[in-house]
This record gives sequence, C-alpha cells and structure tokens, in this order.
Amino acid sequence: DAGITQSPRYKITETGRQVTLMCHQTWSHSYMFWYRQDLGHGLRLIYYSAAADITDKGEVPDGYVVSRSKTENFPLTLESATRSQTSVYFCASSDYRDSALHFGNGTRLTVT
Amino acid sequence: SQKIEQNSEALNIQEGKTATLTCNYTNYSPAYLQWYRQDPGRGPVFLLLIRENEKEKRKERLKVTFDTTLKQSLFHITASQPADSATYLCALGGDNYGQNFVFGPGTRLSVLP
Repeated sequence: DAGITQSPRYKITETGRQVTLMCHQTWSHSYMFWYRQDLGHGLRLIYYSAAADITDKGEVPDGYVVSRSKTENFPLTLESATRSQTSVYFCASSDYRDSALHFGNGTRLTVT
Repeated sequence: SQKIEQNSEALNIQEGKTATLTCNYTNYSPAYLQWYRQDPGRGPVFLLLIRENEKEKRKERLKVTFDTTLKQSLFHITASQPADSATYLCALGGDNYGQNFVFGPGTRLSVLP
C-alpha cells in the first residue's frame, strides 16, 4: 500500500545506546521531515530533507543524525540516547513547498 | 523567535454547535497556513491549506480564515459531531521551507453528545 511507514512502533532502550528509527515513503516525495512530539512542546522539527543527499537541521537537532541516500528512506539515529530523548517521533513527507505533510503513525521511544 | 499559540489546550462544545479554534502567531510572516487533525496514537492528518492572499477557505463543514494583519487564523467546524473530537494543530510555512514549517501546540476538541 502507498503511504509512509515508521518502524518500530515502540522502542525501549537504555541511556547511551544507539538507536535508529526508520521511515519509508512510497510516493517519491521530495521533502521528508522528522518531528518529535512532547507534552507542552507540541511538534518540534528535528531535521528535514529537500531531496536525496540534502538534509538540514531543524529546531532541535542536537543528539540526532539523519541520512537520505534514497528518496524513499529517511532514517533518524540517536547516537547516544538520553532520557530527554524519550518522546514520540513522527516522520512526514511532502511533494512540494506548501503542500500537505503526510505523517506516519509515529514511534514511541522510551530511554531508561 | 517564532511563536504560535492556539486558543486553549482543550475546548468542549455540544454536538451540533460550531466549534471555533484560534491560531495566533508572532515574529513570523507565513506564506500559508495549514490545519491538521490528530487522533490519539496517530500522526496528524492534513485538513486545509490557506495562503496569505486568501481570506477564507471552505471544505464541507470546515472553514478557515486567515488575517495577516491580526496574525491570526480561525478554524471553524460547523454542525459538530462527536466524531470531530480530536486535537487540531495549525502549522505555518513560508520562505526557507522545511526549516520554517512550524506547528502550534494544538487544541484538544471534545464534542459532547
């Protein structure tokens, strides 16, 4: 089915571990985004990508790394997880400026 | 820095009434504004887009207004139904798309039968 899928849906990890959250879209959208959603802060942009091999920082990039070697994939890596990175992470895509963002259903990450 | 406020964290209304949600922003000149709906445990879903040169947009029972002078958007749901209960998010976009696409904190709407 066409769409945007995130995996895993739930993840528990320990402080200091490396974690990678996956995001895959089937529309060939140019733009892809990673947001985190926390109570009291709403959705905050971590990183975004305008095309394959083009990425840029958002509002809260520290502690995260992204890559986009293929248009359809946009993995987010926490190099050394901290408790403050416990959150729900959403991946989204859009096909051009000002078009709708299409979101995945999120990954709930808990760092213990 | 850019700031987006939505009228309240939660709004309760009676079924059949019109729900009005507010999105106010400062330190930003968006080229467009979008509204999304988010249900628990799910990602946001796009509802409507309105551009800076448009005053009003409608889609079925939904209506959005955009006043760049007041720096405000109003989102209306007419003839509200319990199924409309969800969190509604406004989002602003403009130059430097991507980095400057920002979301408000959301308003949780409950439509009571």
